[in-house]
Amino acid sequence: EAGVAQSPRYKIIEKRQSVAFWCNPISGHATLYWYQQILGQGPKLLIQFQNNGVVDDSQLPKDRFSAERLKGVDSTLKIQPAKLEDSAVYLCASSLGTTYNEQFFGPGTRLTVL
Amino acid sequence: TQLLEQSPQFLSIQEGENLTVYCNSSSVFSSLQWYRQEPGEGPVLLVTVVTGGEVKKLKRLTFQFGDARKDSSLHITAAQPGDTGLYLCAGYGSSNTGKLIFGQGTTLQVKP
Repeated sequence: EAGVAQSPRYKIIEKRQSVAFWCNPISGHATLYWYQQILGQGPKLLIQFQNNGVVDDSQLPKDRFSAERLKGVDSTLKIQPAKLEDSAVYLCASSLGTTYNEQFFGPGTRLTVL
Repeated sequence: TQLLEQSPQFLSIQEGENLTVYCNSSSVFSSLQWYRQEPGEGPVLLVTVVTGGEVKKLKRLTFQFGDARKDSSLHITAAQPGDTGLYLCAGYGSSNTGKLIFGQGTTLQVKP
């Protein structure tokens, strides 16, 4: 079974530029998560989708971050404009359902904002 | 706000030593999970503990959930260089939406 795919793996941009990350979850997984992991910290949930609807985006900085999950499969996370403090690893995860289902993580995208 | 505090944050030991990592909260969690993350990879689930007082073993790793379901520990016996990595505890929040709350992690280095 293929795992969660993410691209790109690495991205370096200047502050105030925009960037987009892509995630392809495990086939059949209804729930998709985007996490931000700053160096030395644990992952922090940014947004959670159930199929193509948003379940939780309470920690998403909506003035600069946006995410969508069209057709309930792939998802993109966008940052516009980027700030220095956005430098982090962005992890995508998926699970069959929501409550207490195991989450499977992709390898992440390491973003550096200069 | 539910928080999970892990200690220690960094641990560097010699091969063959034993170690314990702690995960504490002032809140009750319905279940706690432990993940291991290697550089350049996403976290991988090691175990889920659900019942207060529960103990689970995974080869040389022993996981315990506190009786009050507010804390957990991970004990590694005879650590090996392959155990090197970032260990994360995580608990499901009270919202029942599947939102995982992670601790800040413990970086373990096992030297040969």
